Formats: sequence, C-alpha cells, structure tokens
Amino acid sequence: QQQVKQSPQSLIVQKGGISIINCAYENTAFDYFPWYQQFPGKGPALLIAIRPDVSEKKEGRFTISFNKSAKQFSLHIMDSQPGDSATYFCAASISAGGTSYGKLTFGQGTILTVHP
Amino acid sequence: NAGVMQNPRHLVRRRGQEARLRCSPMKGHSHVYWYRQLPEEGLKFMVYLQKENIIDESGMPKERFSAEFPKEGPSILRIQQVVRGDSAAYFCASSSGLYTDTQYFGPGTRLTVL
Repeated sequence: QQQVKQSPQSLIVQKGGISIINCAYENTAFDYFPWYQQFPGKGPALLIAIRPDVSEKKEGRFTISFNKSAKQFSLHIMDSQPGDSATYFCAASISAGGTSYGKLTFGQGTILTVHP
Repeated sequence: NAGVMQNPRHLVRRRGQEARLRCSPMKGHSHVYWYRQLPEEGLKFMVYLQKENIIDESGMPKERFSAEFPKEGPSILRIQQVVRGDSAAYFCASSSGLYTDTQYFGPGTRLTVL
C-alpha cells in the first residue's frame, strides 16, 4: 500500500521533444507529490511538487499532471534539452504534520537521455 | 550559504568494520531524514530525527544500524559490522519544521563494503 510505481525505467528523447514520466500510487492518504532530479554522483534535487487539490502545476518547462481518481501523476518536460539528461524520481508522502512525519516514498526512477 | 552537507562522500570498509556517516542539515533546519539508495533503485526511507530525538525509525534494519542527532553537531548514521549488502548510497535530507513537506537532500555518502 505504500508503493509508488514509476515508468518507464528509461527514456530517450530528441532535443526539443516532450519527455513524459508516469507514476501511480496506492495509498490514498498521500497528499504531497514531489519530483526530484538526480545527476550522477549527486543528491536528488527538488524539481516541482503538487498537492491533490489541483490537477496541474507548471513551472517553466516542467509540468505535473495529477489525476486523483486514477491515483496517477506525471511529469512533462517540454522542449527537452541535453542538460535535462538525468534520473528523475517521483515520490509521495503524507503531510509532515501527521504521524507519518512527511517521510517520502520514492518511485524506482527513470533515466532520461536527451539527444542533441 | 551551505546546503545539506554529508561526509565522507565516499567510504570504503571491510566486512565487519564500522561505518559512520555524518549529516549537517541546512542552516535553521532541525529535522533530518536518512534514506538509502541501493544500486539502480529508488531511495528508501530509513529514519527521521529531530534534535536529540528519534521520531520514526520504521525503515531502519533492526540490527547493526543506529542513528542519532545530538543537540550539538551533525546527525550520525552508524552501521556496525558492515556486510556487502550494506553497500549503497546513503542520503540525508533536512526540513525546516514539523509542518514543512519540502526536504532538501545532501550529496550522499557512497559506502562500499569489500
């Protein structure tokens, strides 16, 4: 019930294309959904996050789409660039103020490669 | 303006030795989470601490692993009698408060057990 499933495992996109990564969760108590970007040898960096009271959130070239009834959310990277090549993780948590203390449950990760 | 700091960045231990991993949270943050990343897997929660208190250690292995966050100094994740299966990247993250969801991650410590 605590799992977050992420797909695809790897993704190759041409420069300028749209990268789409999908995640599905089971625990309906989750109410915070961040995406993290990780470069080799580095720690995960927060990219964008959404709460279930909105269906979409956009920050620059990055958009999260959220479907509460389907228990799915996705990351769209518009105009993908070679510098976007990294591993992307979705995650979910129950708000930090409760007894789950905001601990994150991560998906398995997607390795994105953007060809020039 | 330092972010979350972890040291050492790389640690090599032989089976049976002890590993100590340190994490200094961002300035002003008093909440620390530890996560473990096995090769080609996502991060898995291990433990959540506030200053001088372990709040949630539900993800910690029952034996050999311990964590602390003293009043002064960094948080420490301690692994006794390491085994090859402990080889992984260990990340800590910090947040500013009980009701703050955003976690900022450090660069990680990559532990290799020979």
